[in-house]
Amino acid sequence: GAGVSQTPSNKVTEKGKYVELRCDPISGHTALYWYRQSLGQGPEFLIYFQGTGAADDSGLPNDRFFAVRPEGSVSTLKIQRTERGDSAVYLCASSSSSVRIGETGELFFGEGSRLTVL
Amino acid sequence: SQQGEEDPQALSIQEGENATMNCSYKTSINNLQWYRQNSGRGLVHLILIRSNEREKHSGRLRVTLDTSKKSSSLLITASRAADTASYFCAKPLKKLVFGQGTRLTINP
Repeated sequence: GAGVSQTPSNKVTEKGKYVELRCDPISGHTALYWYRQSLGQGPEFLIYFQGTGAADDSGLPNDRFFAVRPEGSVSTLKIQRTERGDSAVYLCASSSSSVRIGETGELFFGEGSRLTVL
Repeated sequence: SQQGEEDPQALSIQEGENATMNCSYKTSINNLQWYRQNSGRGLVHLILIRSNEREKHSGRLRVTLDTSKKSSSLLITASRAADTASYFCAKPLKKLVFGQGTRLTINP
């Protein structure tokens, strides 16, 4: 597609439920990133994929969070046993850069998925 | 910890005035990027400045980088109401790390 697409744009769920957030990056972009953004804060890094593999998952807050990118394009962020503190906007970005982020280009962001855990 | 902290946290000016936002960082960088985020939207890349550059221009935007002081500034000249947004600096540390941002309001 023309840009990074994220679905759903809004998700309201109850505490303890399972949630999946999807990201469709720009075609041909090998790098894909997930960030989480709370109100009034900057984006907080969660995980970065280079192709199908997670190159850096150091930002995942705990083992309730997991992300996959099985074919090197679409990625799914999965959150188990959601908690109210998981409420945030989850941003996905893609880049044509390979290993050295930012040295050759920029990140292209989607509009985000707003998650509300009641 | 966050790398790339912006200052001020909030800035409100009149349309037509210039807006200056600053960013400090802690460790050596190869480059620094600035992004804009309109309310409720994703981030949009504005400009990338490399460590061997001191100043870079893009339209009404001017970015400077002082590696000795580990700081960068973003200047928006002749501001417009449409410039109202949050502005973030970001530093590549294998992944791109964002600061807290400056919330800029341009009053008509």
